[in-house]
Amino acid sequence: QITLKESGPTLVKPTQTLTLTCTFSGFSLSSTQVGVGWIRQPPGKALEWLALIYWDDYKRYSPSLQSRLTITKDTSKNQVVLTMTNIDPVDTAIYYCVHRRNECCNTWDAAYFDYWGQGTLVTVSS
Amino acid sequence: DIQMTQSPSTLSASVGDRVSITCRASQNIRNWLAWYQQKPDKAPKVLIYKASSLESGVSSRFSGSGSGTEFTLTISSLQPDDFATYYCQQYLSYPSFGQGTKLEI
Repeated sequence: QITLKESGPTLVKPTQTLTLTCTFSGFSLSSTQVGVGWIRQPPGKALEWLALIYWDDYKRYSPSLQSRLTITKDTSKNQVVLTMTNIDPVDTAIYYCVHRRNECCNTWDAAYFDYWGQGTLVTVSS
Repeated sequence: DIQMTQSPSTLSASVGDRVSITCRASQNIRNWLAWYQQKPDKAPKVLIYKASSLESGVSSRFSGSGSGTEFTLTISSLQPDDFATYYCQQYLSYPSFGQGTKLEI
């Protein structure tokens, strides 16, 4: 049974760096083809994909946010960490950790997501 | 970037109705499309992948069709549990989502 759970601050001040941790179980990020990512959703708005990391440490980022994002993994802890720099109030959102469906796609840039964490609301305000 | 546009934004229907939601892509995405259902304060749940393949465990009342740039999610005989927001997502390249369709009673 695959589960993912996000953790991190609920309130962040503008210009700070946001660090979110995803702790997962039911699979290993050292297994071939496995990918874990992040998606966010501002309150009442649509979903936005942010980043993906694969079993071999290959990383993909949203082109519009690439300069501000870093995704890393700790396979021994079953964790994936997302950092976002220079936070702004428009970054207020629910942040979801997601599992990429294995063997889903024709390229490593592509993904759809079969398991989601419960999400964590991050509010950016001074 | 591939833009995804859903219509309508809101859809009013009744239990037992058959409804359809349309998703259009800004370029040809072949059949690399997924549909999700999201209920209030819950994470999305995948319903359909590869435009028309039903995710395991999902009711057969849900079906997907289309290819290229135009896609449809159809729900036959609406049940009370189906009232939610639905999103399409392309995965030809970097994932991108539609703006959502809220299905309300």
